[in-house]
Amino acid sequence: DIQMTQSPSSVAASVGDRVTIACRASQDLKNWLAWYQQKPGEAPNLLIYGASSLQRGVPSRFSGSGFGTDFTLTITNLQPEDFATYYCQQANSFPLTFGQGTRLEIK
Amino acid sequence: EVQLVESGGGLVQPGRSLRLSCAASGFRFADYAMHWVRQAPGKGLEWVSGINWDSSRKVYADSVKGRFTISRDNAEKTLYLQMNSLRADDTAFYYCAKDKNLYDLDYMDVWGKGTTVTVSS
Repeated sequence: DIQMTQSPSSVAASVGDRVTIACRASQDLKNWLAWYQQKPGEAPNLLIYGASSLQRGVPSRFSGSGFGTDFTLTITNLQPEDFATYYCQQANSFPLTFGQGTRLEIK
Repeated sequence: EVQLVESGGGLVQPGRSLRLSCAASGFRFADYAMHWVRQAPGKGLEWVSGINWDSSRKVYADSVKGRFTISRDNAEKTLYLQMNSLRADDTAFYYCAKDKNLYDLDYMDVWGKGTTVTVSS
Protein backbone atom coordinates (compact mmCIF):
# COMPACT_ATOMS: atom_id res chain seq x y z
CA ASP A 1 0.00 0.00 0.00
CA ILE A 2 1.12 3.57 -0.65
CA GLN A 3 1.81 5.50 2.54
CA MET A 4 0.98 9.20 2.60
CA THR A 5 2.77 11.43 5.10
CA GLN A 6 1.69 15.01 5.72
CA SER A 7 3.68 17.73 7.42
CA PRO A 8 3.23 19.49 9.66
CA SER A 9 0.57 17.67 11.71
CA SER A 10 -0.70 21.03 12.87
CA VAL A 11 0.06 24.65 12.09
CA ALA A 12 -1.09 27.93 13.58
CA ALA A 13 -1.55 30.97 11.38
CA SER A 14 -3.34 34.29 11.25
CA VAL A 15 -5.96 35.68 8.90
CA GLY A 16 -4.17 37.02 5.83
CA ASP A 17 -1.20 34.67 6.15
CA ARG A 18 0.13 32.25 3.55
CA VAL A 19 0.31 28.60 4.61
CA THR A 20 1.93 25.60 2.96
CA ILE A 21 1.14 21.97 3.76
CA ALA A 22 3.31 19.16 2.43
CA CYS A 23 2.39 15.61 1.48
CA ARG A 24 4.89 12.90 0.65
CA ALA A 25 4.05 9.55 -0.93
CA SER A 26 5.97 6.32 -0.45
CA GLN A 27 5.76 5.63 -4.21
CA ASP A 28 5.56 7.61 -7.42
CA LEU A 29 2.02 8.95 -7.87
CA LYS A 30 2.71 10.94 -11.02
CA ASN A 31 -0.03 13.55 -10.48
CA TRP A 32 -2.67 11.28 -8.96
CA LEU A 33 -3.20 13.33 -5.83
CA ALA A 34 -6.09 15.22 -4.25
CA TRP A 35 -6.51 17.60 -1.32
CA TYR A 36 -9.58 17.79 0.91
CA GLN A 37 -10.71 20.21 3.59
CA GLN A 38 -12.74 19.01 6.56
CA LYS A 39 -14.36 21.25 9.14
CA PRO A 40 -15.53 19.87 12.52
CA GLY A 41 -18.80 17.97 12.23
CA GLU A 42 -18.81 18.16 8.44
CA ALA A 43 -17.95 15.86 5.56
CA PRO A 44 -14.71 16.44 3.64
CA ASN A 45 -14.71 18.80 0.68
CA LEU A 46 -12.61 18.27 -2.44
CA LEU A 47 -10.29 21.23 -3.09
CA ILE A 48 -7.66 20.06 -5.56
CA TYR A 49 -7.39 17.03 -7.85
CA GLY A 50 -4.74 15.90 -10.28
CA ALA A 51 -2.23 17.55 -7.93
CA SER A 52 -2.92 21.07 -9.19
CA SER A 53 -6.43 21.35 -10.67
CA LEU A 54 -8.81 23.50 -8.67
CA GLN A 55 -12.20 21.91 -8.02
CA ARG A 56 -15.13 23.99 -9.27
CA GLY A 57 -16.36 26.43 -6.66
CA VAL A 58 -13.16 26.42 -4.60
CA PRO A 59 -11.60 29.85 -4.08
CA SER A 60 -8.47 30.63 -6.07
CA ARG A 61 -6.47 31.28 -2.89
CA PHE A 62 -6.10 27.49 -2.75
CA SER A 63 -3.47 25.96 -5.01
CA GLY A 64 -1.68 22.66 -5.36
CA SER A 65 1.63 21.65 -6.84
CA GLY A 66 3.98 18.72 -7.10
CA PHE A 67 4.57 15.55 -9.08
CA GLY A 68 5.88 12.10 -8.27
CA THR A 69 6.25 11.77 -4.51
CA ASP A 70 6.24 15.34 -3.16
CA PHE A 71 3.20 17.59 -3.19
CA THR A 72 2.15 20.89 -1.64
CA LEU A 73 -1.10 22.63 -0.80
CA THR A 74 -0.78 26.40 -0.50
CA ILE A 75 -3.39 28.72 0.90
CA THR A 76 -2.77 32.43 0.41
CA ASN A 77 -4.54 35.26 2.21
CA LEU A 78 -6.03 32.95 4.85
CA GLN A 79 -9.67 33.57 5.64
CA PRO A 80 -11.51 32.68 8.87
CA GLU A 81 -13.40 29.88 7.11
CA ASP A 82 -10.12 28.20 6.09
CA PHE A 83 -9.29 27.03 9.60
CA ALA A 84 -9.92 23.31 9.31
CA THR A 85 -8.14 19.99 8.81
CA TYR A 86 -6.62 19.18 5.44
CA TYR A 87 -5.98 15.74 3.97
CA CYS A 88 -4.10 14.57 0.92
CA GLN A 89 -5.23 11.41 -0.88
CA GLN A 90 -3.48 9.33 -3.51
CA ALA A 91 -5.41 7.89 -6.44
CA ASN A 92 -2.54 6.15 -8.21
CA SER A 93 -3.30 2.65 -6.97
CA PHE A 94 -5.59 0.65 -4.72
CA PRO A 95 -6.18 0.79 -1.89
CA LEU A 96 -6.69 4.54 -2.06
CA THR A 97 -5.00 6.11 0.93
CA PHE A 98 -5.15 9.40 2.82
CA GLY A 99 -2.54 11.31 4.72
CA GLN A 100 -2.99 11.60 8.48
CA GLY A 101 -4.25 15.17 8.22
CA THR A 102 -2.95 18.64 8.99
CA ARG A 103 -4.88 20.80 11.41
CA LEU A 104 -4.79 24.50 10.57
CA GLU A 105 -5.49 26.56 13.67
CA ILE A 106 -5.91 30.23 14.36
CA LYS A 107 -2.86 31.88 15.92
CA GLU B 1 -29.02 19.50 -6.17
CA VAL B 2 -26.55 16.63 -5.98
CA GLN B 3 -27.18 14.76 -2.74
CA LEU B 4 -26.10 11.58 -0.96
CA VAL B 5 -27.94 10.36 2.12
CA GLU B 6 -26.57 7.48 4.18
CA SER B 7 -28.63 5.27 6.46
CA GLY B 8 -28.39 1.99 8.31
CA GLY B 9 -25.86 2.83 10.96
CA GLY B 10 -26.29 1.99 14.61
CA LEU B 11 -25.02 0.03 17.59
CA VAL B 12 -24.11 -3.59 16.87
CA GLN B 13 -22.35 -6.32 18.83
CA PRO B 14 -18.94 -7.63 17.75
CA GLY B 15 -19.25 -10.40 15.19
CA ARG B 16 -22.63 -9.27 13.96
CA SER B 17 -23.60 -7.69 10.63
CA LEU B 18 -24.94 -4.37 9.42
CA ARG B 19 -25.86 -3.02 6.00
CA LEU B 20 -25.39 0.62 5.12
CA SER B 21 -27.29 2.32 2.32
CA CYS B 22 -26.64 5.52 0.42
CA ALA B 23 -29.44 7.10 -1.59
CA ALA B 24 -28.28 9.33 -4.43
CA SER B 25 -30.11 12.12 -6.20
CA GLY B 26 -29.41 15.04 -8.51
CA PHE B 27 -26.98 13.29 -10.87
CA ARG B 28 -26.78 10.30 -13.23
CA PHE B 29 -25.91 7.74 -10.56
CA ALA B 30 -25.35 4.95 -13.09
CA ASP B 31 -22.49 6.87 -14.73
CA TYR B 32 -20.28 7.31 -11.70
CA ALA B 33 -18.11 5.17 -9.50
CA MET B 34 -18.88 5.37 -5.80
CA HIS B 35 -16.93 5.01 -2.57
CA TRP B 36 -17.27 4.37 1.14
CA VAL B 37 -14.90 6.26 3.45
CA ARG B 38 -14.86 6.05 7.23
CA GLN B 39 -13.53 8.11 10.09
CA ALA B 40 -13.01 6.70 13.55
CA PRO B 41 -13.76 9.07 16.43
CA GLY B 42 -11.11 11.79 16.56
CA LYS B 43 -9.10 10.16 13.76
CA GLY B 44 -8.37 10.74 10.10
CA LEU B 45 -10.06 9.54 6.95
CA GLU B 46 -9.80 5.91 5.82
CA TRP B 47 -10.97 4.79 2.39
CA VAL B 48 -12.98 1.59 2.79
CA SER B 49 -14.22 0.48 -0.62
CA GLY B 50 -15.07 1.55 -4.14
CA ILE B 51 -17.25 0.27 -6.97
CA ASN B 52 -17.26 1.31 -10.59
CA TRP B 53 -20.33 2.30 -12.56
CA ASP B 54 -21.43 -1.15 -13.68
CA SER B 55 -20.23 -3.10 -10.62
CA SER B 56 -17.58 -4.92 -12.67
CA ARG B 57 -14.85 -3.61 -10.39
CA LYS B 58 -15.01 -3.65 -6.61
CA VAL B 59 -12.00 -2.75 -4.50
CA TYR B 60 -11.43 -2.82 -0.75
CA ALA B 61 -9.08 -1.67 1.95
CA ASP B 62 -7.06 -4.51 3.44
CA SER B 63 -8.71 -3.89 6.81
CA VAL B 64 -12.16 -4.88 5.50
CA LYS B 65 -11.37 -7.29 2.68
CA GLY B 66 -13.30 -10.54 3.10
CA ARG B 67 -15.71 -9.01 5.65
CA PHE B 68 -17.31 -6.09 3.79
CA THR B 69 -19.07 -6.17 0.42
CA ILE B 70 -19.90 -3.13 -1.66
CA SER B 71 -22.76 -3.19 -4.15
CA ARG B 72 -25.06 -0.84 -6.01
CA ASP B 73 -28.48 -0.74 -7.59
CA ASN B 74 -28.40 1.72 -10.46
CA ALA B 75 -32.14 1.51 -11.03
CA GLU B 76 -32.76 2.48 -7.40
CA LYS B 77 -29.81 4.94 -7.34
CA THR B 78 -28.54 3.35 -4.17
CA LEU B 79 -25.12 2.27 -2.93
CA TYR B 80 -24.71 -0.39 -0.25
CA LEU B 81 -22.07 -1.63 2.14
CA GLN B 82 -22.68 -5.03 3.71
CA MET B 83 -20.53 -5.30 6.81
CA ASN B 84 -20.05 -8.75 8.35
CA SER B 85 -17.96 -9.99 11.26
CA LEU B 86 -17.85 -6.50 12.69
CA ARG B 87 -15.07 -5.62 15.11
CA ALA B 88 -14.61 -2.83 17.63
CA ASP B 89 -12.12 -1.13 15.32
CA ASP B 90 -14.84 -0.80 12.66
CA THR B 91 -16.47 1.80 14.92
CA ALA B 92 -16.53 4.97 12.83
CA PHE B 93 -18.52 7.53 10.96
CA TYR B 94 -19.16 6.10 7.48
CA TYR B 95 -19.40 8.41 4.48
CA CYS B 96 -20.71 7.62 1.04
CA ALA B 97 -18.95 9.58 -1.71
CA LYS B 98 -19.39 10.06 -5.43
CA ASP B 99 -16.38 9.81 -7.71
CA LYS B 100 -15.54 12.96 -9.60
CA ASN B 101 -14.94 11.29 -12.94
CA LEU B 102 -17.16 9.25 -15.19
CA TYR B 103 -16.49 5.54 -14.80
CA ASP B 104 -13.26 5.91 -12.78
CA LEU B 105 -12.33 5.34 -9.16
CA ASP B 106 -10.08 8.17 -8.05
CA TYR B 107 -11.30 11.41 -6.45
CA MET B 108 -14.38 12.03 -4.33
CA ASP B 109 -16.24 15.24 -5.17
CA VAL B 110 -19.57 14.82 -3.40
CA TRP B 111 -19.99 13.40 0.08
CA GLY B 112 -22.96 12.47 2.20
CA LYS B 113 -23.34 13.63 5.78
CA GLY B 114 -22.44 10.14 7.03
CA THR B 115 -23.86 7.56 9.38
CA THR B 116 -22.42 6.30 12.66
CA VAL B 117 -21.51 2.66 13.25
CA THR B 118 -20.66 1.61 16.79
CA VAL B 119 -19.44 -1.93 17.44
CA SER B 120 -19.66 -2.77 21.11
CA SER B 121 -21.00 -5.43 23.42
